[in-house]
Amino acid sequence: NAGVTQTPKFQVLKTGQSMTLQCAQDMNHEYMSWYRQDPGMGLRLIHYSVGAGITDQGEVPNGYNVSRSTTEDFPLRLLSAAPSQTSVYFCASSRGLVGNTQYFGPGTRLTVL
Amino acid sequence: QKEVEQDPGPLSVPEGAIVSLNCTYSNSAFQYFMWYRQYSRKGPELLMYTYSSGNKEDGRFTAQVDKSSKYISLFIRDSQPSDSATYLCAMSAETVVIGGGTSYGKLTFGQGTILTVHP
Repeated sequence: NAGVTQTPKFQVLKTGQSMTLQCAQDMNHEYMSWYRQDPGMGLRLIHYSVGAGITDQGEVPNGYNVSRSTTEDFPLRLLSAAPSQTSVYFCASSRGLVGNTQYFGPGTRLTVL
Repeated sequence: QKEVEQDPGPLSVPEGAIVSLNCTYSNSAFQYFMWYRQYSRKGPELLMYTYSSGNKEDGRFTAQVDKSSKYISLFIRDSQPSDSATYLCAMSAETVVIGGGTSYGKLTFGQGTILTVHP
């Protein structure tokens, strides 16, 4: 199993540009989520999904869109990038709450100029 | 006030020391308590998981939960340089069951404590 994969690893955007961060898992997990990690802030939940076709907002959803058309993929879209979105983004997946073992991807480091 | 508070450190200890990492929280609905370890430029990985109050031991690691005080701890015995990482506490409330029996719980993380164990 590859686990949770994220692409790209690094990205630099200009203000106003849009892009999609890719996330895929091969563990047949129902639950997937996106977090951002900023210094001194820990991990903050952006959006999450409990299955294909079902998504909901987390703590900091503004400026981001998600969709879940398959169990495996959960892309995160930045609609119009802003410098405040400079961060490290982590995707995670889990089978459910039992043990709530969330498996994290390696992260995407995004810089918005 | 944040729901989960964690001293960011940094914490520097000599090899072999006992390390104590702590988090406090304000949401009394939290029932699931976790500790994640994150090495530099990597994603977090689950270290310990505890449901409700009590202690749990795994090798050199012991997790404690005191729900009456809304306080959780992670102890590392005989610390090693390989333990140098950021340690994040995370918590979740009871499951919410939606149609089809799917259950989920959103995690709330602490800020993380940077630990360095020097030889």
